[in-house]
Parts: sequence; structure tokens; C-alpha cells
Amino acid sequence: AQKITQTQPGMFVQEKEAVTLDCTYDTSDQSYGLFWYKQPSSGEMIFLIYQGSYDEQNATEGRYSLNFQKARKSANLVISASQLGDSAMYFCAMREGRIQGAQKLVFGQGTRLTINP
Amino acid sequence: NAGVTQTPKFRILKIGQSMTLQCAQDMNHNYMYWYRQDPGMGLKLIYYSVGAGITDKGEVPNGYNVSRSTTEDFPLRLELAAPSQTSVYFCASRPGHYSNQPQHFGDGTRLSIL
Repeated sequence: AQKITQTQPGMFVQEKEAVTLDCTYDTSDQSYGLFWYKQPSSGEMIFLIYQGSYDEQNATEGRYSLNFQKARKSANLVISASQLGDSAMYFCAMREGRIQGAQKLVFGQGTRLTINP
Repeated sequence: NAGVTQTPKFRILKIGQSMTLQCAQDMNHNYMYWYRQDPGMGLKLIYYSVGAGITDKGEVPNGYNVSRSTTEDFPLRLELAAPSQTSVYFCASRPGHYSNQPQHFGDGTRLSIL
């Protein structure tokens, strides 16, 4: 069974610093994908970035990048030059199975990131 | 463009009551999902649908039912509300067949069972 582990319940970072949020996963499938979502205090879920298991390059989206280490089964989110608006809960999620599928996501427990001015 | 719309936003139920959480999307997405999020936890999949008339169970389906008669709507039914169903419920949708396309979430329904 697939599993996502986020070991950092909370992180505190100074504004403008880079921050890395950890995510490790467990799966026996060769084809899978990893998503990161942001949940601000208002509650909505905002998609940030995606990494497929067969993608050759690490994913990047603006200030977000994914440090994907397949052999270690980790997919850490890196936020560069953090801003006050980055304060939120961050969730790592995984879909298993072939790329043409239902995309049943399994979520980690999340990391609460607080950016200090 | 409204995206994914969930109603109501808040609801309090008594134990044993029933209710339907509504979810509608105007993006012509084939895939729709229902999740629940308990306090301090990640989301857990309740049910999903790959198209009108087709639904399937997720990780935590007990106590819930769904139907998908149209592409746009995917209601979630609680038949006999229990305190364990107190949670925030999220509906999501995504467009097509490729699993790298992210899910778009509604704003959630906060449900309390007393």
C-alpha cells in the first residue's frame, strides 16, 4: 500500500530565506506521481507542483522546485526566497499506477510553514 | 468561471440525521472526487467518479454514498450522521485521462455532527 510521510509538523523560517519541506513515500509501483499542495489558513487547496516517476528533470514552477531522489523515495519541496504569503500548510500527495488512470491521491499529514518577518 | 462549487459552506447536524453535500463544476471535467480532512491531518479519499454514471470507493467510503448523473454534479450523501463524520469535506475535479493533471478543489464544507 502506498504511503506518504511528512516528518516536519512545523517549520519556522525567516522571510527571504529558502526552505525545504520533506516528503518521503513508499510504493511498489514503478509508475507514480507526486503532487504538492498549499493550504492557507482560509482553507482552500492550491496545486503547486508535480513530479512523475519517469520525469528525467526535477520539476520547477517559479519559486517552487522539487528535489526528487527516486532511489531514496523522497520528493522534497524547495521554496526559494520565502515570502510572508508562503505561511500555510503544505501537503505532499502521491498517485499510483499508470498515467492514464483515476489519480487516487494519498496525502501526507502536512507541514505547517510559518514565515517570520 | 466558478470552478468547483461546494454547498453549503458550514452545517451542523444531529446524530442520526441525513444530508447531502453538493458539488458542481463548470469546467466539463470527467473526473470528480470527494475527500475528508480531519483536524491536523491530510485529506482522505471517500469516493471518486471517472464520468457520469461511474463511481467507485476510495480509502474511507463507509457511511457515505455518491451518485453522478451528470458531468457537472457529484453529490455526497450522509445517511445516518455520526460524530466520527465531523470533518471538512472537499470536492475536486480534473479534466482528462492523464494523471499528471492536478485536481482542482472547491473551498470545502465544514460539517459538525453533535
